[in-house]
Amino acid sequence: DADVTQTPRNRITKTGKRIMLECSQTKGHDRMYWYRQDPGLGLRLIYYSFDVKDINKGEISDGYSVSRQAQAKFSLSLESAIPNQTALYFCATSDMNTRTSNEQFFGPGTRLTVL
Amino acid sequence: QKEVEQNSGPLSVPEGAIASLNCTYSDRVSQSFFWYRQYSGKSPELIMSIYSNGDKEDGRFTAQLNKASQYVSLLIRDSQPSDSATYLCAVNSVVDSNYQLIWGAGTKLIIKP
Repeated sequence: DADVTQTPRNRITKTGKRIMLECSQTKGHDRMYWYRQDPGLGLRLIYYSFDVKDINKGEISDGYSVSRQAQAKFSLSLESAIPNQTALYFCATSDMNTRTSNEQFFGPGTRLTVL
Repeated sequence: QKEVEQNSGPLSVPEGAIASLNCTYSDRVSQSFFWYRQYSGKSPELIMSIYSNGDKEDGRFTAQLNKASQYVSLLIRDSQPSDSATYLCAVNSVVDSNYQLIWGAGTKLIIKP
């Protein structure tokens, strides 16, 4: 089954540590996204990428960086983690990103806790 | 700022009844709309996409779109306890020259046996 996977699934870390979250997909999609979800809030876009050479900031990119290593891999880094980055992080992919289609498919998520 | 609004709930519906979930959006030129289901601690799962005014049916689910009123709804017929989840509305809009999904905060649905 074509799928989106994320590692790690859970991570507890301390303030100031560097953290990398990884996303891989076998869907063959060009477009990949990183979101965070906080209780009571909608999904917020951190970064997105349309191909290996095209990376764009989302609504809340401050404090984060990304790397698109290949069509199938998109990593999110927190250079110096802080407690308000505690959240559920999702990777998503889409085949199209047009006016009439932008169906996105999600990985299982990473629960990150920053102490 | 483009926005998508949903009633946070919880919306409590008896088993077997129709659950009606609503969503309004601010970007009047949006053309594609999505409903996702999210179980607690799990990832969002796409259940319906709708692009044209009117109704679109898929099994027990019906999505309704009214672009003039900027309103999208999801009806779940014959509600089952397994339908208990948070339902997220997403609207495709242009942000910084690219299409992005703008998300509502979700409506928590509880189906009571």
